[in-house]
Amino acid sequence: DAGVTQSPTHLIKTRGQQVTLRCSPISGHKSVSWYQQVLGQGPQFIFQYYEKEERGRGNFPDRFSARQFPNYSSELNVNALLLGDSALYLCASSARGGSQETQYFGPGTRLLVL
Amino acid sequence: GQNIDQPTEMTATEGAIVQINCTYQTSGFNGLFWYQQHAGEAPTFLSYNVLDGLEEKGRFSSFLSRSKGYSYLLLKELQMKDSASYLCAVRASRGGFKTIFGAGTRLFVKA
Repeated sequence: DAGVTQSPTHLIKTRGQQVTLRCSPISGHKSVSWYQQVLGQGPQFIFQYYEKEERGRGNFPDRFSARQFPNYSSELNVNALLLGDSALYLCASSARGGSQETQYFGPGTRLLVL
Repeated sequence: GQNIDQPTEMTATEGAIVQINCTYQTSGFNGLFWYQQHAGEAPTFLSYNVLDGLEEKGRFSSFLSRSKGYSYLLLKELQMKDSASYLCAVRASRGGFKTIFGAGTRLFVKA
């Protein structure tokens, strides 16, 4: 079975642009979470979605938004990109979004903002 | 506030044992995870503790003390491939995910 997949793997944008990152969870998983990982730091929680509804939001500005589709895949959108948005964006899936469930991470999308 | 502390770097010798400590202060506690992350790759799950005590899984063991806000990851019979970052993460809310990660401990295993 395929694990969590993310696209694209790498992306270069300029300040002020908008970006959309995509994630497909493990088959049968209904919950997706998004994280931002800056070099040398641990992942920072952005959003959690379960059954197409937002279940949690981290301390990120409104420029960050996400949605989950009926097939449980998800998109993360970032508007008005800043240099500081350069990071590895990780998607993680779990079966039902339960608090004691293990999350499985995808390979990430590496975003560089120039 | 919510805070997770772990050492920035550690060095150990192949074949030895190393203990990576993690202390946390979070609003609510619903489990602690350890992940391994090789450079340029995604984190991979190692262990989960929700009750006090030691969980053993092969060469890796993880310990939790909720009253002390403390956990450690124990790696035995170190191998060169164990060189990686080890992330301590706490699930801070009930009923969902607000997983708080530490900055990670970079472990260097030398021959």
